[in-house]
Amino acid sequence: DAKTTQPNSMESNEEEPVHLPCNHSTISGTDYIHWYRQLPSQGPEYVIHGLTSNVNNRMASLAIAEDRKSSTLILHRATLRDAAVYYCILTQRVHIFGQGTELSVKP
Amino acid sequence: NAGVTQTPKFQVLKTGQSMTLQCAQDMNHEYMSWYRQDPGMGLRLIHYSVGAGITDQGEVPNGYNVSRSTTEDFPLRLLSAAPSQTSVYFCASSYAQQGRPQHFGDGTRLSIL
Repeated sequence: DAKTTQPNSMESNEEEPVHLPCNHSTISGTDYIHWYRQLPSQGPEYVIHGLTSNVNNRMASLAIAEDRKSSTLILHRATLRDAAVYYCILTQRVHIFGQGTELSVKP
Repeated sequence: NAGVTQTPKFQVLKTGQSMTLQCAQDMNHEYMSWYRQDPGMGLRLIHYSVGAGITDQGEVPNGYNVSRSTTEDFPLRLLSAAPSQTSVYFCASSYAQQGRPQHFGDGTRLSIL
């Protein structure tokens, strides 16, 4: 599976938008881009996924670059409950997790 | 609808003991997988299965056995526990089609003394 690169940590202020980047320059044409998040002491939780087009759901938006070599998870208004580790994964079926981005949200 | 259920939630073992971690899902998912997560680290894939009777190795399979006799259950066996296997273990399931998201259990916290 192709690898992804994410910043180790990011900070955000409550009520502001958050843009979490992910680079995946070796993505193949059949790789889906998945985002999960893991709150402390919990299992990972699915956030959103896409293949080529931008995607929106009730939790977040996923913006995919035209060449698909990068993507951005957008939380429109960060809350304290959004503090978590966010994982960007390329997958066709098997999910290989990297280190993720630890997001902290300041009140 | 229970989703993915893992038992037990906590377990302490002595070195050399054997144990089976249970994972069951009620969503009729074909694909199931086991991960371990060490403190401060990401998840690492141990074994996975694409359907009953079919299993395959992930990134860190050594020291673990799996079998898949039914669609619902995917137990993980430690035949001779070692302190290096102290970790939090997560089970996940999904539909088999490409790109489908995984559903995770709450984890089993395993300590080996």
